[in-house]
Amino acid sequence: DVKVTQSSRYLVKRTGEKVFLECVQDMDHENMFWYRQDPGLGLRLIYFSYDVKMKEKGDIPEGYSVSREKKERFSLILESASTNQTSMYLCASSADRGTGANVLTFGAGSRLTVL
Amino acid sequence: DAKTTQPPSMDCAEGRAANLPCNHSTISGNEYVYWYRQIHSQGPQYIIHGLKNNETNEMASLIITEDRKSSTLILPHATLRDTAVYYCIVRPLYKGGYNKLIFGAGTRLAVHP
Repeated sequence: DVKVTQSSRYLVKRTGEKVFLECVQDMDHENMFWYRQDPGLGLRLIYFSYDVKMKEKGDIPEGYSVSREKKERFSLILESASTNQTSMYLCASSADRGTGANVLTFGAGSRLTVL
Repeated sequence: DAKTTQPPSMDCAEGRAANLPCNHSTISGNEYVYWYRQIHSQGPQYIIHGLKNNETNEMASLIITEDRKSSTLILPHATLRDTAVYYCIVRPLYKGGYNKLIFGAGTRLAVHP
C-alpha cells in the first residue's frame, strides 16, 4: 500500500559529493514536494513541482536542485554536499486542486548524513 | 495564512480519548483546518480536515467551534501507536501558485499504558 516511495532510507556521503534523492508516487498526483526536517526547525520546503518539467523554489532552495522528467518521479539533487545538509529529507505529493490539494502524502523519509 | 497555536505536549492514558486543541483566532472565511501527525522517524500523515462543520473519519473526529477560532482533534480511544507529534494547519483550499503547508512545532502526544 506504499504510495510515495523514497529510494534510500539512510545515506552517508562525504563533503563535496553529488547526491541524488529519488522519489516516486503512484497516485497520479500533479504536485510533488521536497522538505527537509531538522530538530527545532520543523519541516521546511526546499522545492516543489506542479507539473512535469516544472519546478518552483521553496523557502530554502540554496544548495539544491530538482528534476521532474516524469509525472511520477521527483528527484532532489545536492550538487556538492556539505555538512549543513545533514538532515531528514521528506518527499510528498498531492492532487492539483479541490479538497485533495492540501492533503499531502509523504514518503518515509531519507536520512542523509554528510561527513 | 492564519497562524495556529498548539500546546507543546500532552499525555493520555491508553484507551481514553485524546483531545488535542488548536487555536486559530485569525482564521479567514475560506481557510480550512487540517490535521497531520508524525510518528517518530516517519513522514507526516494526513488525518482529517474541515471548514466549519464537525468531521469524522476512521482515524479521528474534528470539532470546530462556531466562531471557527479554535478546533479540537479527538482520538476516541488512544493507543500506544497514537504517540506522535500532531500538527494543526490552517490553509485555503487553493491559493494560487502552490499549496505550501507550514508545519509548526505541533503537539507531542504521549500515550501511556
